[in-house]
Amino acid sequence: EDKVVQSPLSLVVHEGDTVTLNCSYEVTNFRSLLWYKQEKKAPTFLFMLTSSGIEKKSGRLSSILDKKELFSILNITATQTGDSAVYLCAYSGNTGKLIFGQGTTLQVKP
Amino acid sequence: GAVVSQHPSRVICKSGTSVKIECRSLDFQATTMFWYRQFPKQSLMLMATSNEGSKATYEQGVEKDKFLINHASLTLSTLTVTSAHPEDSSFYICSAPGQGGPYEQYFGPGTRLTVT
Repeated sequence: EDKVVQSPLSLVVHEGDTVTLNCSYEVTNFRSLLWYKQEKKAPTFLFMLTSSGIEKKSGRLSSILDKKELFSILNITATQTGDSAVYLCAYSGNTGKLIFGQGTTLQVKP
Repeated sequence: GAVVSQHPSRVICKSGTSVKIECRSLDFQATTMFWYRQFPKQSLMLMATSNEGSKATYEQGVEKDKFLINHASLTLSTLTVTSAHPEDSSFYICSAPGQGGPYEQYFGPGTRLTVT
């Protein structure tokens, strides 16, 4: 059965800290891995990763995929209180449906 | 970017009644849409794949007679929770693949269902 596992499940940091969120997967027919940020409503898209070793970057957020070791990380540098959210990792196979991990709840304290 | 809407955003219903949730792609056509359910403090769980013009494909453990899905047009999919019970209370989210292909998903804003 396809599986996506995120760690840690929750994290509390202070503003300015750097955090690394982990996502490992065991899936068949891997096509891409996606990261989302979810606050109160539906998830908002952050990154889609398809190739190993190529870092994707957007402002203070970056992500990379390791297809050999079957994991991805999401880094957030210089965290702000607005980064507080649930971060979801999902994989997409041939059909396009998404299988999500449990999510990491990040709380950034002032 | 592509926009997906859901209606209603919140609904409260009594046990035993049925509730219909609509998911619309506003500026693009979607032959496929996905329905997810999210319980408090949990992740999104895929319930079913909605296919325009054909039957939905349900994930293991999801009762198709309880969660009726109809994909009547290229821009509309509906999820009907039949004979709702309090344990059906959840956040229901739909998504549709965007122009970039099936790996690019646009999510609706979600529907909060509370069954009393």
